[in-house]
Amino acid sequence: DTEVTQTPKHLVMGMTNKKSLKCEQHMGHRAMYWYKQKAKKPPELMFVYSYEKLSINESVPSRFSPECPNSSLLNLHLHALQPEDSALYLCASSQDLPTATGYTFGSGTRLTVV
Amino acid sequence: KNEVEQSPQNLTAQEGEFITINCSYSVGISALHWLQQHPGGGIVSLFMLSSGKKKHGRLIATINIQEKHSSLHITASHPRDSAVYICAVMVGNEKLTFGTGTRLTIIP
Repeated sequence: DTEVTQTPKHLVMGMTNKKSLKCEQHMGHRAMYWYKQKAKKPPELMFVYSYEKLSINESVPSRFSPECPNSSLLNLHLHALQPEDSALYLCASSQDLPTATGYTFGSGTRLTVV
Repeated sequence: KNEVEQSPQNLTAQEGEFITINCSYSVGISALHWLQQHPGGGIVSLFMLSSGKKKHGRLIATINIQEKHSSLHITASHPRDSAVYICAVMVGNEKLTFGTGTRLTIIP
């Protein structure tokens, strides 16, 4: 298995909803990442987990809450989002830090906040 | 000034043409990635380079560490190659810094 699987592929949520995005990989990668990508812009790093511990938080608002329950799974919990949070959310993994060998992206979750 | 600059920003070519996309960066890096993203889609990692040259099918990527420059070449281009190609560098061993991408359109 050489994939990063993200679910759901599409999500529409209201500003008062709570939802979660899920990311899974079974490549034995120990670093996992969340990115946010707005239309026609490059991805922006949100969080990095290394060996299931949060390594980087790029000053992301607390309405985004990451969780890494085990080495294969990364979640992003969403609560009280704003319409401007609508974007493509990409998960990625790599073998480890710092070599970042085998950097692999998921196909993303397209989030619309209404 | 962005740490990673790509050129051209947009490129339209006829099917079969040889394509070159360039990436220049201004900081020391541990690796450089070439990524492909189709409209509305996820990102596919094409190459990771730290020196020299790599080839995969019709795609060739080169990097010159001294000149801080990398190129992605596509031979015998095809409409299915139409996508955004993104150069990204690993800075500080933890973060990828992305270029703004090159939008490639191959016309049949």
